[in-house]
Amino acid sequence: DAGVTQSPTHLIKTRGQQVTLRCSPKSGHDTVSWYQQALGQGPQFIFQYYEEEERQRGNFPDRFSGHQFPNYSSELNVNALLLGDSALYLCASSRGTGYTGELFFGEGSRLTVL
Amino acid sequence: AQSVTQLGSHVSVSEGALVLLRCNYSSSVPPYLFWYVQYPNQGLQLLLKYTSAATLVKGINGFEAEFKKSETSFHLTKPSAHMSDAAEYFCAVSDFLSGNTPLVFGKGTRLSVIA
Repeated sequence: DAGVTQSPTHLIKTRGQQVTLRCSPKSGHDTVSWYQQALGQGPQFIFQYYEEEERQRGNFPDRFSGHQFPNYSSELNVNALLLGDSALYLCASSRGTGYTGELFFGEGSRLTVL
Repeated sequence: AQSVTQLGSHVSVSEGALVLLRCNYSSSVPPYLFWYVQYPNQGLQLLLKYTSAATLVKGINGFEAEFKKSETSFHLTKPSAHMSDAAEYFCAVSDFLSGNTPLVFGKGTRLSVIA
């Protein structure tokens, strides 16, 4: 049973560019949440997707957007990259939108902005 | 707003010694509380969770945590550290009443185990 898979694992971009990160949830899961983990910090919630709609959003600017596909996979897009966007981006999947259950995390996509 | 504070960004213990990682929470409503572990170059894995049942929660790999409402704490313990326990540990909180607020994570505590 494949867990949460993310791609790419590492990437380097320059300021002002755009990036797309991808996530496939664990089998049987229908909800995807994205987190940003800056160096030395805990993960911070970006947004959650369920039934192809953004259900909740954290304190992130509109440069951060996402999408969920009918097969429950998801993309995170970041436009006009800033140096401060350098971080590990984690995707987590779950069954339903409640947070009482377990979130399953992928290994993350490490983004470096130069 | 909910928050968690993890005391000590780095804890070092000897192999076989007691592990104690501290977490205090702030929440205006009864919380759900979680401990996650992150091994190098890996995602986060759930160790255990408190969801208003027993106050002493047992998790994987011999870890346990006790919910103490009077102290607003949810400290993580393990009686005997193993080398394989070296990792980053995150405490997280969510809103109990709605069960639908995103997890708020602490900054993490890095555990080193010395042979």
